[in-house]
Amino acid sequence: DIQMTQSPSSLSASVGDRVTITCRASQSINTYLNWYQQKPGKAPKLLIYAASSLQSGVPSRFSGSGSGTDFTLTINSLQPEDFATYYCQQSYTTLPYTFGQGTKLEIK
Amino acid sequence: QVQLQESGPGLVRPSETLSLTCTVSGYSISTGYYWGWIRQPPGKGLEWIGSIYHSGNTYYNPSLKSRVTISVDTSKNHFSLNLTSVTAADTAVYYCARDSEVGATRLFDYWGQGTLVTVSS
Repeated sequence: DIQMTQSPSSLSASVGDRVTITCRASQSINTYLNWYQQKPGKAPKLLIYAASSLQSGVPSRFSGSGSGTDFTLTINSLQPEDFATYYCQQSYTTLPYTFGQGTKLEIK
Repeated sequence: QVQLQESGPGLVRPSETLSLTCTVSGYSISTGYYWGWIRQPPGKGLEWIGSIYHSGNTYYNPSLKSRVTISVDTSKNHFSLNLTSVTAADTAVYYCARDSEVGATRLFDYWGQGTLVTVSS
């Protein structure tokens, strides 16, 4: 299996801050990397696909970058509704798809 | 608007079979796409279980493959999950989702709200 490791596991930030979350794959996955946001008691929501493509309807303050093994999710000018847990997911291989362990973004 | 809704028992006895159904509205499964199941143990991360194409072609997480069957009923526009010989480790929120492809990238773009299944005697 391709292991996905996110850092940090948790993060405290303030409204208006810029934050970056990192995801590292155990082998090269080209740009087959997606990012999801999950709020408590809710299903994950797709934010970014193919490492840097913004899903329709997602605010432009979210952006993604990277290729190979190292990827980042950046949120510019944090809004109150952005405090959630974020997951990366590789789709380089479907056997199996794997997710990172999650990064919990909390209000400072 | 594509919507997915999971249904099934919230409590399953150890060693028995967990069975869930995902009903899709706003889109006909027979038109295309893969459809998948993902689970999340309480307080933990996400684990993909498997996906099925409208034709019935399936692929499963190797870690669960021996216990998992996913099937599709296009006449009812739903797909189902069976997980046999469950233990407490299978306690989780189970999500169904559309397993889409954009360019060459696979992604989960529509999700059900999730259903908690507890394995306990």
